[in-house]
Amino acid sequence: AQTVTQSQPEMSVQEAETVTLSCTYDTSESDYYLFWYKQPPSRQMILVIRQEAYKQQNATENRFSVNFQKAAKSFSLKISDSQLGDAAMYFCAYRGYNTDKLIFGTGTRLQVFP
Amino acid sequence: NAGVMQNPRHLVRRRGQEARLRCSPMKGHSHVYWYRQLPEEGLKFMVYLQKENIIDESGMPKERFSAEFPKEGPSILRIQQVVRGDSAAYFCASSRTWNDRGTYGYTFGSGTRLTVV
Repeated sequence: AQTVTQSQPEMSVQEAETVTLSCTYDTSESDYYLFWYKQPPSRQMILVIRQEAYKQQNATENRFSVNFQKAAKSFSLKISDSQLGDAAMYFCAYRGYNTDKLIFGTGTRLQVFP
Repeated sequence: NAGVMQNPRHLVRRRGQEARLRCSPMKGHSHVYWYRQLPEEGLKFMVYLQKENIIDESGMPKERFSAEFPKEGPSILRIQQVVRGDSAAYFCASSRTWNDRGTYGYTFGSGTRLTVV
């Protein structure tokens, strides 16, 4: 069975600095998708960035980028120029290419200090 | 585009009562997914429905939980005879097609927080 592990329960960063959140996963599948979701105190789950496993190029969305290492089964999220509004829980998630369900990690709580 | 609408946002039930959680998918979306988030945990898949059909209920507890997505109206997650352990946030997500959920991820609602007292 697939699993997703986020080993950092909490992280903190100074405003305008860069922070990296870690995620590792375990799967025997070769085709799959990986996602980072942000959950602010409002509870809304917001898709931050996604990566298709067959793509070697790391995904980038403005200040958010990933370091996808398929062989190592690692999918870290880098947030550049951190802003106060980035403070939230961040969840890494996996979905197999032919399955319906997302498998989530336990989340990392990010604090941003002015 | 109102997004995925869930109601109520907060629901308090006494032990033994029934809880009914509603989810209206985004306009044009016919695939609905329910997830449960226990305190300090990630979301866990419960059930995947299309209109009038349950496609995958592998994450649903075998007893007391049921879900439906009728031809007309919202999807309903029903929990009968609630217990304290059912206290959690319940999220609904929707997608337009089977493939969309990979292309865009899901679109999630803001969840219903169920508290059993």
